[in-house]
Amino acid sequence: DAKTTQPNSMESNEEEPVHLPCNHSTISGTDYIHWYRQLPSQGPEYVIHGLTSNVNNRMASLAIAEDRKSSTLILHRATLRDAAVYYCLHGGGSQGNLIFGKGTKLSVKP
Amino acid sequence: NAGVTQTPKFQVLKTGQSMTLQCAQDMNHEYMSWYRQDPGMGLRLIHYSVGAGITDQGEVPNGYNVSRSTTEDFPLRLLSAAPSQTSVYFCASSYSTGGIDTQYFGPGTRLTVL
Repeated sequence: DAKTTQPNSMESNEEEPVHLPCNHSTISGTDYIHWYRQLPSQGPEYVIHGLTSNVNNRMASLAIAEDRKSSTLILHRATLRDAAVYYCLHGGGSQGNLIFGKGTKLSVKP
Repeated sequence: NAGVTQTPKFQVLKTGQSMTLQCAQDMNHEYMSWYRQDPGMGLRLIHYSVGAGITDQGEVPNGYNVSRSTTEDFPLRLLSAAPSQTSVYFCASSYSTGGIDTQYFGPGTRLTVL
């Protein structure tokens, strides 16, 4: 199984940066690292993904460790709408399907 | 584009009843999948399809059947509903396998089996 390890929960203050960590020590060399988030009562939505290099998009940045066994999702300025469960996953090489863990529940305080 | 649509949004069944959860996408995606999410848990893969006519089992396939006769549709059938199948069901699609490409999820079907 393509398992990842994330903290169960994290808290942040509004408008401050948030760094969400993930360990994926079983990742294969061809697996992509993906982040999805799930807002309350909604389906998961894509946040960002990458293979080796750090990635940026309008929602977040993804920092990938050099050995690829860990990554960090960075929300540059948390808003109340960013309160969600964030899932880190990997797949694509050895694992065609994405395996979801329990994720990190992010709370954002005003 | 409507994206991924699921019907119904809510359903209550009695033990032993059968039903089909519908999923459709209009993005011409080859890969489609079904997940279930139990309270406080992550998503678990039930079945997936890499193209019309091709399906395979995921993590928790027992009690569910799927078929893929068209690219657009991927229905999930519950053969004989059990209370353990009470869950929220999400359908997803992507251009290729979910491990490579962005997956788009539907809004979910909340199923209760009494």
